[in-house]
Amino acid sequence: GEDVEQSLFLSVREGDSSVINCTYTDSSSTYLYWYKQEPGAGLQLLTYIFSNMDMKQDQRLTVLLNKKDKHLSLRIADTQTGDSAIYFCAESLRTGFQKLVFGTGTRLLVSP
Amino acid sequence: DGGITQSPKYLFRKEGQNVTLSCEQNLNHDAMYWYRQDPGQGLRLIYYSQIVNDFQKGDIAEGYSVSREKKESFPLTVTSAQKNPTAFYLCASSIPGQSNQPQHFGDGTRLSIL
Repeated sequence: GEDVEQSLFLSVREGDSSVINCTYTDSSSTYLYWYKQEPGAGLQLLTYIFSNMDMKQDQRLTVLLNKKDKHLSLRIADTQTGDSAIYFCAESLRTGFQKLVFGTGTRLLVSP
Repeated sequence: DGGITQSPKYLFRKEGQNVTLSCEQNLNHDAMYWYRQDPGQGLRLIYYSQIVNDFQKGDIAEGYSVSREKKESFPLTVTSAQKNPTAFYLCASSIPGQSNQPQHFGDGTRLSIL
């Protein structure tokens, strides 16, 4: 079945690391994505990882994938107040078109 | 700069009225998508189109209609049959059939009931 779960809230202090977690159920997922949504705006692609990779690093962002446990995480190093937003993980299913299944989103609040 | 433009940013609907949300892209993408976002929920797929003059229902198509007469444009009509239309609507586009080509999103239209 298609189901992607995330915790709803995360609160951190500026300068700390943030870790946002996601679990998914479909083992046929090909790519897994992280999107950021600021208030009143659309989704901005942050990074993505192919399902046969374990880790991907992109500047302050580190994505870890545990395919056995179907667990995906996004670590933001040196979190800034501008990182406050909703973060969505999404899995891309192996269908006839690029179907994305989104999690409910994690609201990250960064306090000074 | 290439991107996706959604208009209007805010839209109000009266009872029994159809309203149309605009989505235009200049990314030269063949595939386009419409999603609905409700508070505390992820995005749900309404309709998608992989090529001009072709479109398919997504997971929550009831009460909505689309057209795809031009590659650049994928308007969504929220009909009076949609009894709970208040939501944030997002349009996206991508290169079709390749999972490593991510979907790019517009800035959304917020629809409310008068």
